Amino acid sequence: DQQVKQNSPSLSVQEGRISILNCDYTNSMFDYFLWYKKYPAEGPTFLISISSIKDKNEDGRFTVFLNKSAKHLSLHIVPSQPGDSAVYFCAASVASGTYKYIFGTGTRLKVLA
Amino acid sequence: DSGVTQTPKHLITATGQRVTLRCSPRSGDLSVYWYQQSLDQGLQFLIQYYNGEERAKGNILERFSAQQFPDLHSELNLSSLELGDSALYFCASSATASGELFFGEGSRLTVL
Repeated sequence: DQQVKQNSPSLSVQEGRISILNCDYTNSMFDYFLWYKKYPAEGPTFLISISSIKDKNEDGRFTVFLNKSAKHLSLHIVPSQPGDSAVYFCAASVASGTYKYIFGTGTRLKVLA
Repeated sequence: DSGVTQTPKHLITATGQRVTLRCSPRSGDLSVYWYQQSLDQGLQFLIQYYNGEERAKGNILERFSAQQFPDLHSELNLSSLELGDSALYFCASSATASGELFFGEGSRLTVL
């Protein structure tokens, strides 16, 4: 049962344009969401997070949007840069005392120069 | 550098064998998580420890076990290894039982 889904395995975007990565979840109890970026041969690194009490969180070029009714979140990268080329994972957790983070399968972003 | 150290980085072994993967969390982090990433798969949650105690369990096989020691480092033991156990095993830590995870670089296990 895949509770967190990233339905696009890959995405290519021109440098300078917007990258939009999507993530859907099925468990309405999830109340904290994170995005991680992973380069080859490295561990995932934290990018940005959002709590379910918000619908938007911004950090520089990265913005995460949360649509609770649709159980959908998205990561916007503006403007996209070649160094953003990586695999992006979304993750979700439930604040029930057992914080196990459930990750999606990832989206490979390629930013073309 | 996330501050999370995993050893070994690479490990090749045969079916039926047993291996131990080690993780040292960031200084001061009490919580340790183990994840498995098989080829082209997402990060599958295995198990979480918080200050020495098991906190949450995911899809961890009975052949696998883990523990967190008083100095907060953790070990993941994989036994009776099968070809399908070949994967990247990541350890992550966080300061509390919640919050942002910091990942190590992973231990790549190859079972031949």
